[in-house]
Amino acid sequence: GAGVSQSPSNKVTEKGKDVELRCDPISGHTALYWYRQSLGQGLEFLIYFQGNSAPDKSGLPSDRFSAERTGGSVSTLTIQRTQQEDSAVYLCASSQTNSYYEQYFGPGTRLTVT
Amino acid sequence: AQKVTQAQTEISVVEKEDVTLDCVYETRDTTYYLFWYKQPPSGELVFLIRRNSFDEQNEISGRYSWNFQKSTSSFNFTITASQVVDSAVYFCALSEGLQGGSEKLVFGKGTKLTVNP
Repeated sequence: GAGVSQSPSNKVTEKGKDVELRCDPISGHTALYWYRQSLGQGLEFLIYFQGNSAPDKSGLPSDRFSAERTGGSVSTLTIQRTQQEDSAVYLCASSQTNSYYEQYFGPGTRLTVT
Repeated sequence: AQKVTQAQTEISVVEKEDVTLDCVYETRDTTYYLFWYKQPPSGELVFLIRRNSFDEQNEISGRYSWNFQKSTSSFNFTITASQVVDSAVYFCALSEGLQGGSEKLVFGKGTKLTVNP
């Protein structure tokens, strides 16, 4: 079956602009996660969605970051007023139910803020 | 708090050598899960194994084996007879799940393995 897909694969934006990153999880997976991977920082948890429950936003680095998940499927991560330190690869993952289960990762979106 | 330490930043071996990647974790909880992921040069993280805290049996899958020891809070990964295709960054990760109050994976910094022909 299809894996996790993300779009765009690459995004270059100017400092101060808003960006939207999209994630399509594996069909039937109720849990969806966003991570950020940057040099020197490893893989950093951002946000977690599980079914209809309130999302766990504990990893979002600032209020410029937000995410939505519509219809329990597709998710969009929005970064407002981008800064150069936001440059990173943003990874989306999904799993069957919760973090006890293996997460399947998408290919990521490489964001470059100039 | 959860923490995963992969002390080896980079390892370089020659093909056919055995190599062990170390992973040490910290958690306050009795129920947790440990994972290993592989990130090849193409960039996509690939799931390798999941182990729960109640199962300390070692596991072998082909050339891969994992040694889980709760007494030392370690979950080490060994590749036997390494091959060039094993070259990748390997991440160890920990989930406390609901008990930890936050549903997330905490990753180590990763170990970059280079297998030279």
